[in-house]
Amino acid sequence: AQSVTQLDSHVSVSEGTPVLLRCNYSSSYSPSLFWYVQHPNKGLQLLLKYTSAATLVKGINGFEAEFKKSETSFHLTKPSAHMSDAAEYFCVVSRPMDSNYQLIWGAGTKLIIKP
Amino acid sequence: DSGVTQTPKHLITATGQRVTLRCSPRSGDLSVYWYQQSLDQGLQFLIQYYNGEERAKGNILERFSAQQFPDLHSELNLSSLELGDSALYFCASSGMPLLLAGTDTQYFGPGTRLTVL
Repeated sequence: AQSVTQLDSHVSVSEGTPVLLRCNYSSSYSPSLFWYVQHPNKGLQLLLKYTSAATLVKGINGFEAEFKKSETSFHLTKPSAHMSDAAEYFCVVSRPMDSNYQLIWGAGTKLIIKP
Repeated sequence: DSGVTQTPKHLITATGQRVTLRCSPRSGDLSVYWYQQSLDQGLQFLIQYYNGEERAKGNILERFSAQQFPDLHSELNLSSLELGDSALYFCASSGMPLLLAGTDTQYFGPGTRLTVL
């Protein structure tokens, strides 16, 4: 069965310092993985996705994530945090269901940026 | 702006009542998904429609139902409302019926905040 675990419910960093949001997945086959972001009082937006091409995936707003099969991880990073990065981030894995696919969502990590 | 619209933005109603939430997908997208986001349950997938037909069901209660119309807009009907149904309800759309090996991007609307008193 496919599942996804976001290891931290909250992450707090200072502006200008690196960001690391951790995500581990379990999947019985090679998965597709996504990171979505939700800014306060807004809908969700795709940051980036891994679809079995390059293992290092670059997304919007300077974020990137690396697919590590041996560690079953898909951690999200950014070299330098900006105040506008304060939001909730969701790691997502897709799973086959009947003749379709369904997204399995992590519980979310709230990113707090300190000035 | 994702191109997905949802109305109303906010809805306040009483227990036992019935409400209808509306979603218009991005132009050209045939799939519509409904999600519920609450503080205790997180983001839960409810149901998916593709070109008018139900494609997948998630954790949708029997009191809830949805449909997708010929113009591709969708409605989520919530009946016999309970306090625990208070949540943010999101609609998302995508361009493919199957998630192309799970790679398809979903585009989310701004959500409808439902408060049941």
